[in-house]
Amino acid sequence: GDSVTQMEGPVTLSEEAFLTINCTYTATGYPSLFWYVQYPGEGLQLLLKATKADDKGSNKGFEATYRKETTSFHLEKGSVQVSDSAVYFCALRSGGTSYGKLTFGQGTILTVHP
Amino acid sequence: DTAVSQTPKYLVTQMGNDKSIKCEQNLGHDTMYWYKQDSKKFLKIMFSYNNKELIINETVPNRFSPKSPDKAHLNLHINSLELGDSAVYFCASSQDAGYSYEQYFGPGTRLTVT
Repeated sequence: GDSVTQMEGPVTLSEEAFLTINCTYTATGYPSLFWYVQYPGEGLQLLLKATKADDKGSNKGFEATYRKETTSFHLEKGSVQVSDSAVYFCALRSGGTSYGKLTFGQGTILTVHP
Repeated sequence: DTAVSQTPKYLVTQMGNDKSIKCEQNLGHDTMYWYKQDSKKFLKIMFSYNNKELIINETVPNRFSPKSPDKAHLNLHINSLELGDSAVYFCASSQDAGYSYEQYFGPGTRLTVT
């Protein structure tokens, strides 16, 4: 079945540091890939997505590239801010009989200090 | 305007009780979902409805029963609540069950069973 593996957290960085959160996946066919962010006490918000190989999703300074050859979708940001502190989820969505359900990674807690 | 709303936001109840959580979306979407987030932040699909028809029913105790009175609403009823049901429950919707469409999440309902 489908699965998503994210790097273990928590991740603690200083403001303006470079961020990478690794994400790899296993899926049948060609899934769509997503990064969701959950701020403290809130629901999930879509951060970015990519629907086919070599697509780059980007939003709010975050980027991720759909790498089919390595089955990866790593999240990066060049300079993090305190306001980026949140839980980040990598997810995939397959077609066919999965009926579009999202399969999530375990989430990575990011804390950014001033 | 809130896109996906859930009520209540917090629910504290005793073991053995029956409770319901309501979800409404005003996005005109065809597909709605229920996800459960456990204490370690892990998210897992429970159910999905497409045009009021159940299309995803993961391995969930039959004490949990979803109901979709119309496309804009998906409610979750839980019978005989147990301690292990304590979690945050998220409702989500998407344009349809196609794999490239993003899902929009509600703010969550934190259920605490004592």
